[in-house]
Amino acid sequence: GNSVTQMEGPVTLSEEAFLTINCTYTATGYPSLFWYVQYPGEGLQLLLKATKADDKGSNKGFEATYRKETTSFHLEKGSVQVSDSAVYFCALSDQQQPSNTGKLIFGQGTTLQVKP
Amino acid sequence: NAGVTQTPKFQVLKTGQSMTLQCAQDMNHEYMSWYRQDPGMGLRLIHYSVGAGITDQGEVPNGYNVSRSTTEDFPLRLLSAAPSQTSVYFCASSYGGRSYNEQFFGPGTRLTVL
Repeated sequence: GNSVTQMEGPVTLSEEAFLTINCTYTATGYPSLFWYVQYPGEGLQLLLKATKADDKGSNKGFEATYRKETTSFHLEKGSVQVSDSAVYFCALSDQQQPSNTGKLIFGQGTTLQVKP
Repeated sequence: NAGVTQTPKFQVLKTGQSMTLQCAQDMNHEYMSWYRQDPGMGLRLIHYSVGAGITDQGEVPNGYNVSRSTTEDFPLRLLSAAPSQTSVYFCASSYGGRSYNEQFFGPGTRLTVL
């Protein structure tokens, strides 16, 4: 079945450091890929998405490129801030079901801590 | 718009008790779902609905019931709580449920079953 694997956390960085959080997936067909972020005490919110191969999603300085050849969707940011401290989830849409279900399959989440 | 709201925020139950977690959205979204979040396991889908009167099971449905009598509301019922149901529960909604649509999440309910 479909699955998402993220790098283990926590990831601890100093402010202005470069961030990469790895995400690989297994899926049949052509899923849409997402990164969601969860700030402390809050629900998840969409950070960025890509809907087809070679698409690049971007938002708030974060980027991720849909790589079908390596089945990856790694999240990157050139210079992190303390306010980026959160849990980041990679997810894919479940394309095995009829197209109107929109179900998401999540990775286990990666905690990012940015220190001043 | 309030978005997706969930009540209560926190709940402690004893084994065998029942309760209902409430979820409501004011965005006229067709698709609603319930996830549970456990450490190291990400979010797992419990039940979902593609419209009023239509529900289906997700990955971990056992021990939970849902109904969808209106577009706005999607309550999750625990009939006989078990310690294994200790978790954080998130409700989400999206327009149309298409694979590329953003899902909007509520703030979560933290449930502890003793």
